[in-house]
Amino acid sequence: ETGVTQSPTHLIKTRGQQVTLRCSSQSGHNTVSWYQQALGQGPQFIFQYYREEENGRGNFPPRFSGLQFPNYSSELNVNALELDDSALYLCASSTGTRKVEQYFGPGTRLTVT
Amino acid sequence: GNSVTQMEGPVTLSEEAFLTINCTYTATGYPSLFWYVQYPGEGLQLLLKATKADDKGSNKGFEATYRKETTSFHLEKGSVQVSDSAVYFCALSDQAGNQFYFGTGTSLTVIP
Repeated sequence: ETGVTQSPTHLIKTRGQQVTLRCSSQSGHNTVSWYQQALGQGPQFIFQYYREEENGRGNFPPRFSGLQFPNYSSELNVNALELDDSALYLCASSTGTRKVEQYFGPGTRLTVT
Repeated sequence: GNSVTQMEGPVTLSEEAFLTINCTYTATGYPSLFWYVQYPGEGLQLLLKATKADDKGSNKGFEATYRKETTSFHLEKGSVQVSDSAVYFCALSDQAGNQFYFGTGTSLTVIP
């Protein structure tokens, strides 16, 4: 069984640029959630996708957007990057019937300069 | 709104000591509650969960009971080991599992 994978591992961007992060969910999982984890903090929920539709969103501005594909992989897009967007971005997958049991990927470390 | 407040760390214990990490929550409806663990250099892992009041989640010697009357979900272990050194996060989800809220994490170091 393949676990949750994320790419890239690390990324450095400049303020104002746009970034796309990718996540492949665990085999058999159709739900993906994205989180932002600042250094020394707990993960903050960004949004969740279930069967290609966004069905839950945290307190993040519209410049944070996402997609889920038919194979249930997912992308997180962030436009107009700000310095405060520097964080570890985590993806977690789960099944539609057991959404509360999430399996996390290793994360993408984004640095905005 | 929904939120989780957990005991601030860091916590340092000797091997075989008793562990308690406090967690309280604010939520509407009937949330599910979780403890996640992040070992050094590794990703977040679900440690245990409870989906309704009075449920007890348990795993690897850790336990937590969902107390609706005190809105708490404290993590306990009777005898910690060096290998338990990690950061522990308390979390909740709404009833449907569509939104999740994490605490700030508690760093635990167990010394031999």
